[in-house]
Amino acid sequence: KAGVTQTPRYLIKTRGQQVTLSCSPISGHRSVSWYQQTPGQGLQFLFEYFSETQRNKGNFPGRFSGRQFSNSRSEMNVSTLELGDSALYLCASSLLADEQYFGPGTRLTVT
Amino acid sequence: GENVEQHPSTLSVQEGDSAVIKCTYSDSASNYFPWYKQELGKRPQLIIDIRSNVGEKKDQRIAVTLNKTAKHFSLHITETQPEDSAVYFCASPGGGGFKTIFGAGTRLFVKA
Repeated sequence: KAGVTQTPRYLIKTRGQQVTLSCSPISGHRSVSWYQQTPGQGLQFLFEYFSETQRNKGNFPGRFSGRQFSNSRSEMNVSTLELGDSALYLCASSLLADEQYFGPGTRLTVT
Repeated sequence: GENVEQHPSTLSVQEGDSAVIKCTYSDSASNYFPWYKQELGKRPQLIIDIRSNVGEKKDQRIAVTLNKTAKHFSLHITETQPEDSAVYFCASPGGGGFKTIFGAGTRLFVKA
């Protein structure tokens, strides 16, 4: 089976812009979770989707949003980018919201 | 709120020694406890997990133990090798489910 894929792998944006990141889960996995990873804050949970429904959300401002499509692919969007949003954004897919398989991540740099 | 505390933040051992990393969780309803290994520049990968109905699980040189009463679980690596050098994260479900809380990570150095 193909693993979790994320696009793009690297992104440079300017403050105030918005960005959309994409995640394709392992075939058959319907749960997709998103995380922000920074050196100082570790892995922070953003949100989890299952069958197009957001089931849980982390403590991030409303500028962070996501969605899931009927084929389980997921996107996350960050609007009005701030310097502090620079991070590695990881998505993970799972069959039953337990064992998670991570994608390679999208490295976002905000200048 | 839910929280997962992980110790130590850094661990340095000699090749062949054992390494132990401990995590404490706060949500008594948690029933799944995975450990992930993240090598430099790579994605986190699940290396072992345990569910609340067992107290210990082993897979070759790694093992995880769970104490539900004390709400803590530990990762044990025996006969460490240089390729075990990485950051290790524990995790636990929180927020009523469908949410994973990660510990802050332990950077393990194995000296040859």
